[in-house]
Amino acid sequence: DQQVKQNSPSLSVQEGRISILNCDYTNSMFDYFLWYKKYPAEGPTFLISISSIKDKNEDGRFTVFLNKSAKHLSLHIVPSQPGDSAVYFCAASTGGSQGNLIFGKGTKLSVKP
Amino acid sequence: DAGVTQSPTHLIKTRGQQVTLRCSPKSGHDTVSWYQQALGQGPQFIFQYYEEEERQRGNFPDRFSGHQFPNYSSELNVNALLLGDSALYLCASSLVSHEQFFGPGTRLTVL
Repeated sequence: DQQVKQNSPSLSVQEGRISILNCDYTNSMFDYFLWYKKYPAEGPTFLISISSIKDKNEDGRFTVFLNKSAKHLSLHIVPSQPGDSAVYFCAASTGGSQGNLIFGKGTKLSVKP
Repeated sequence: DAGVTQSPTHLIKTRGQQVTLRCSPKSGHDTVSWYQQALGQGPQFIFQYYEEEERQRGNFPDRFSGHQFPNYSSELNVNALLLGDSALYLCASSLVSHEQFFGPGTRLTVL
């Protein structure tokens, strides 16, 4: 059974608009959440993370929101740029940032000029 | 500063053979984790090495084994290859309390 779910396989957004990528999880023991971006033929690139003691973390155009009661997190990208087009993976851990990461299946984001 | 490097880039093997994949961590990182990414799936944790010991292990059979060397580099060995072992194998390195950084991966095809 999947502990981390990304229910939208793909998302298309116009350049300059907001991209919202969603992730749901089932394990209440997760204490750390991360978002990675992956281009074809490259490994995942770390984007942003959030500890379970927080509900929001912001880094430039990227903001992650965590709703523990709903077991839901989201990544907001504002404004979206064509270079943001990639597959985005949500990951969670029970051992902080170094614990083994449980990944979702990914959401392919396409940002159209 | 070189990031995480992996070799080889691509590999083709036949069923029953054995394979060794290699990983050099990012400079200064002491922990190496290995993940398997099947097509259309997210990466799945295989195991993690720290101080040359296996610290955590995911749900993978004993055919998957690893090693970490004193210079923190690591190897992943897979014995008795099955068709289902065809995947992208990712290595990630990290330092205590910091995020994991991934290499470009090794694409393994088992025929």
